[in-house]
Amino acid sequence: ETGVTQSPTHLIKTRGQQVTLRCSSQSGHNTVSWYQQALGQGPQFIFQYYREEENGRGNFPPRFSGLQFPNYSSELNVNALELDDSALYLCASSLMGQGDGEQYFGPGTRLTVT
Amino acid sequence: AQTVTQSQPEMSVQEAETVTLSCTYDTSESDYYLFWYKQPPSRQMILVIRQEAYKQQNATENRFSVNFQKAAKSFSLKISDSQLGDAAMYFCAYRSGVHGSGNTGKLIFGQGTTLQVKP
Repeated sequence: ETGVTQSPTHLIKTRGQQVTLRCSSQSGHNTVSWYQQALGQGPQFIFQYYREEENGRGNFPPRFSGLQFPNYSSELNVNALELDDSALYLCASSLMGQGDGEQYFGPGTRLTVT
Repeated sequence: AQTVTQSQPEMSVQEAETVTLSCTYDTSESDYYLFWYKQPPSRQMILVIRQEAYKQQNATENRFSVNFQKAAKSFSLKISDSQLGDAAMYFCAYRSGVHGSGNTGKLIFGQGTTLQVKP
């Protein structure tokens, strides 16, 4: 098991609602990346946060947003939920600027949009 | 843009036997890393093995080894002496080694291969 935790484990929301997912990074890590994994697919990069700022973004609309806090934990917010947002959301923490920046994944949050 | 392709949606192997999972990738970069990740059902994704593109020697981690063919852009994973605990979805992933503005070190994943291990 890695030291990365995510909450909640599962979540059911209705189309049009908003959701916040949380991630606590591994001790000593300063960077959090978020990925969306649709059922039976590989994870897709959403964005990354480093030093409390967005450090890069994948091909996701602006209704996907995030935050990083001084303790390096992070939130992923999704507004105006759509059915296609149903997926496993993974966060991965890493240490930017030293070593190879290997990413360590959390267990994920399973989001179901009905 | 870089892409990663895993052409085997499902594979099966008999316990104690050897299995090879395939992965091809496309990139114009010369500096990059390749990874194999394991995702057991309802459990965290963990790194199995990594390969730096500048290293000619194939990486090995216990029962896991890779066959890295840089010119062919191929990166296969061999699992020897398969165990029941090896059953999982396996993902091949690429990460750029280029440093600079906007480089997040994001991972680009293939579609995954589900490995079944038969007792």
